[in-house]
Order: sequence, then C-alpha cells, then structure tokens
Amino acid sequence: QVQLVESGGGVVQPGRSLRLSCAASGFTFSSYGMHWVRQAPGKGLEWVAVISFDGSNKYYADSVKGRFTISRDNSKNTLHLQMNSLRAEDTAVYYCAKALGGRTGAIDFWGQGTLVTVSS
Amino acid sequence: DILTTQTPLSLSVTPGQPASISCKSSQSLLHTDGKTYLYWYLQKPGQSPQLLIYEVSSRFSGVPDRFSGSGSGTDFKLKISRVEAEDVGVYYCMQGLHFPLTFGGGTKVEIK
Repeated sequence: QVQLVESGGGVVQPGRSLRLSCAASGFTFSSYGMHWVRQAPGKGLEWVAVISFDGSNKYYADSVKGRFTISRDNSKNTLHLQMNSLRAEDTAVYYCAKALGGRTGAIDFWGQGTLVTVSS
Repeated sequence: DILTTQTPLSLSVTPGQPASISCKSSQSLLHTDGKTYLYWYLQKPGQSPQLLIYEVSSRFSGVPDRFSGSGSGTDFKLKISRVEAEDVGVYYCMQGLHFPLTFGGGTKVEIK
C-alpha cells in the first residue's frame, strides 16, 4: 500500500531555513508527480508545490515562490522541500502527497504530515 | 488563480439522512481533453485528507457508494445519501485544472 512518511519539521526562527523530506513506498515513485500541501493550525488546505515524475517541471504557490524549492531523488524514493527565509505565516502541518495517475494536477494519497513552527 | 468556494461552512446531520455540499469555481474546470478536474476530499478529525471523488463523479478506490459527485463547468455537488457516524470531518473540494491547485474553504460535517 502507498506510504508517505514526512520528516524534518520542528521549531525554527523567522528568517531561518528548514528542509522537509518525504519517504515514499508502496508504489513506483519515479512514475508519479509529487506535491507538498500545508495546513495552518485550525485552517484549511493550501497547496504549496508540485514536481513532475522526473523532476523536470515544478510549480509553486505565489506565497512560497522564490523561498521554497521542491526536489526529488528517484534513486532513494524521496521528496524534499527546502524552505528558506521562513516567516511566521509558514507555520503549518506540511503534507507530502502523491499525484493521481498520469495527471500531475491531482492528489490521491497523503502522508500524515510534519509540523513546522516558525517562531522566535 | 481559480477561486474555489464551498457552501455551507458547516452541516449537522441526523444519521441516515442525506447531506449535500456545494462547490463553485471562478472559471470552468472543463479541460480540452474533455475531462473536468474537480476533486473531493474528506479530512477526518486528527487525520490527513483522503480522496473521495475524482473528476467530478468517479469514486476513488474503497469509497462507499453512499458518496456521489455531480456537476459540470463551474458548479459541483457532493452528496452523501445516508450519513453515517464515520462520515464526520471536514470536506474539501479542489480544482486540478491549473496551478496553483486551489481548495475550497471546507465544510465541517457533524452528527446530530
């Protein structure tokens, strides 16, 4: 079965960096696009970024463009999110999610999430 | 960006009764390939979201048939034919036509 396990969350000061990882198993990782979606405490879902199956295409939400970088290592079945210049409003649970089928613009499975808290 | 709006904000439903949630998008979600890229998710309390419906009306693997989706263009509905206790949580619609993907604000469903 599909498993997505995020790691790397924690408490970080404003302006600092953090790198999230997502270990994938149960499917052919190199065949699917992958997403990051976040959820601020008590709030709704906000899409963050997507990367195509081979890493050649990436898209970002305006709120993170220029600060966050999505990447993947298909040899290790791992997805990453490098977050720089963090702000208080980046505080959220970050979910790694798998694209549905051949279409990158859809999500079928989600990880359990990792909490990022940006605070001084 | 495509704006996605859900109503109502919350629903309180008696078990066994139907429930319906509306989702409207600011532009048509019909792609030139003929498919419409509207999805429904349920986030149960303390859990991550799970896919219920894809491309307006197709139930995802393992989703009970009491869940159904309908609509076209910019107007969509999720219907639960007979609500059960395990259906509580927040329901989100999401458009997958263009990046950035956008979610509705969510509809909280509780049991009376």
